[in-house]
Amino acid sequence: DTAVSQTPKYLVTQMGNDKSIKCEQNLGHDTMYWYKQDSKKFLKIMFSYNNKELIINETVPNRFSPKSPDKAHLNLHINSLELGDSAVYFCASSRMSSGGYNEQFFGPGTRLTVL
Amino acid sequence: AQKITQTQPGMFVQEKEAVTLDCTYDTSDPSYGLFWYKQPSSGEMIFLIYQGSYDQQNATEGRYSLNFQKARKSANLVISASQLGDSAMYFCAMSFTGNQFYFGTGTSLTVIP
Repeated sequence: DTAVSQTPKYLVTQMGNDKSIKCEQNLGHDTMYWYKQDSKKFLKIMFSYNNKELIINETVPNRFSPKSPDKAHLNLHINSLELGDSAVYFCASSRMSSGGYNEQFFGPGTRLTVL
Repeated sequence: AQKITQTQPGMFVQEKEAVTLDCTYDTSDPSYGLFWYKQPSSGEMIFLIYQGSYDQQNATEGRYSLNFQKARKSANLVISASQLGDSAMYFCAMSFTGNQFYFGTGTSLTVIP
């Protein structure tokens, strides 16, 4: 059984388009995340949702909008795509923790290429 | 501000030898967790090992052990008996109450036959 799934795995699109990436987890976790991994492999947290509420919103352009219809899903919508948005986007989930233990369970990643 | 540093962009190790990947961190928060993840060329992120800031013993998971030196704020990963399949990117990461999670810049490990 897939724990954290993302669709699509690959996304190639033109500049200026709007696209969405979907994420689902079946682990019963209450917290979900989006990360961006750039071409230098640097991983940066973008957003975190706990029980459908936004709890972390790092400095990302407001063209990126997460949407959590329920605690098992966290989708990422990107408006007006730019060349610099090309990256691998990872969804992850974890239990809400107090004290630092929140092992991230990652999806397989979505490779976004903006032409 | 929380910060996590991996100073070795690339490392090489002979098959069957041990290797240490460095990780230092900076925080004033007394409660935190330290993680290591492996990312092979296929791209998935694989959890390896965890150490809590209050844990007295160093964490071990099979061939992986975490050399936790709290006073020095270091959390080095030791891989014993390296295998060809260990060739990958390795990320040190840190978490805090409130689910903040930060990754280091990664170390690319190559195991030489």
